[in-house]
Amino acid sequence: DAGVTQSPTHLIKTRGQQVTLRCSPISGHKSVSWYQQVLGQGPQFIFQYYEKEERGRGNFPDRFSARQFPNYSSELNVNALLLGDSALYLCASSLGGFNSYEQYFGPGTRLTVT
Amino acid sequence: KNQVEQSPQSLIILEGKNCTLQCNYTVSPFSNLRWYKQDTGRGPVSLTIMTFSENTKSNGRYTATLDADTKQSSLHITASQLSDSASYICVVSAKQTGANNLFFGTGTRLTVIP
Repeated sequence: DAGVTQSPTHLIKTRGQQVTLRCSPISGHKSVSWYQQVLGQGPQFIFQYYEKEERGRGNFPDRFSARQFPNYSSELNVNALLLGDSALYLCASSLGGFNSYEQYFGPGTRLTVT
Repeated sequence: KNQVEQSPQSLIILEGKNCTLQCNYTVSPFSNLRWYKQDTGRGPVSLTIMTFSENTKSNGRYTATLDADTKQSSLHITASQLSDSASYICVVSAKQTGANNLFFGTGTRLTVIP
């Protein structure tokens, strides 16, 4: 079975632009979480979606938004990019929406803002 | 405040040697503790998950311990290999509903040299 997939692998944008990152969860998983990982730091929680509804949001500005589709795939959108948005964006999927379920991480999307 | 602290920040060892990584947490109420291995630029991969009642769990050459009383965990790597070079992240989940209940350490960067 395929694991969590993310696209694109790498992305270079300039300040002020908008970006959309995509994630496909493991088949059968209904929850997707997004994390931002700055170089040398642990992942920071951005969003969790379960059954197409937002279940939680981390301490990120409104420039960050996400959604989950009927097939449980998800998109993360970031508007008005700042240099500080440069990071590895990780998507994790799990069976359920609570912490008792194991989270499986995708390979990440490396976003560079210049 | 829920926090996870890891030590050391980085570690260099010779191939074939053993090493131990530390994780201290203040997360409460505690649900489980996970150790992840993260290769550079890749998503984290789960090594072990331990609940309150488990004080040791092994996965091949990786052995994790948990002392729920002192809120400490360790990850012991035996007979290290070059492929063990990675960041090791300790993640503690809180026993609460809601999505933002995973607390990440900043990781220990392990380098195994020949």
